[in-house]
Amino acid sequence: DSGVTQTPKHLITATGQRVTLRCSPRSGDLSVYWYQQSLDQGLQFLIQYYNGEERAKGNILERFSAQQFPDLHSELNLSSLELGDSALYFCASSVGGGADTQYFGPGTRLTVL
Amino acid sequence: AQSVTQLGSHVSVSEGALVLLRCNYSSSVPPYLFWYVQYPNQGLQLLLKYTTGATLVKGINGFEAEFKKSETSFHLTKPSAHMSDAAEYFCAVSDLLRGSTLGRLYFGRGTQLTVWP
Repeated sequence: DSGVTQTPKHLITATGQRVTLRCSPRSGDLSVYWYQQSLDQGLQFLIQYYNGEERAKGNILERFSAQQFPDLHSELNLSSLELGDSALYFCASSVGGGADTQYFGPGTRLTVL
Repeated sequence: AQSVTQLGSHVSVSEGALVLLRCNYSSSVPPYLFWYVQYPNQGLQLLLKYTTGATLVKGINGFEAEFKKSETSFHLTKPSAHMSDAAEYFCAVSDLLRGSTLGRLYFGRGTQLTVWP
């Protein structure tokens, strides 16, 4: 158990819908990262938050957005869903950045039908 | 952007044999380097990482990796494979700004390790 929790574990929805994925980091960690894992693209960095502020953006679509709340939990919002958005979405947390170990949650498997 | 190449998407070894998983990165300066393991239906778990100092890094479960700057490589090895090592292994590099709060990881495509009895 990494100490990072993600809900829900599985999500099945239809094209055009909107979903919210939730992540609670390890106690004491200020950074939260979101990654997408798919067969086509592999593991891709989406976005990082540090202590409530956006720190870095990767290949995140405009239809996707995220935020980190004052209690440091984070939510990833995916809207106007397409079939290609079906993937495993991981949240990770670390104390800071750089060399700090990132601890990964178990992931949310999103299926868009 | 940095990139990571893992040679061989599938590696098969017999139990007790040497495990060698290859990773090369592209970067103008030595980045931070990581190996993660992913078991089926689970998240990623850190095996080991290189930041500074000794180039031979020891990790969990008997794995180790050597940072070779001249070859831009960070290959993962284990002297004797065990059935429980069967999993997918990912090499990753992080951003170059040491001491920064920036921490995104760039992952390779992964290597699936199969261990035969």
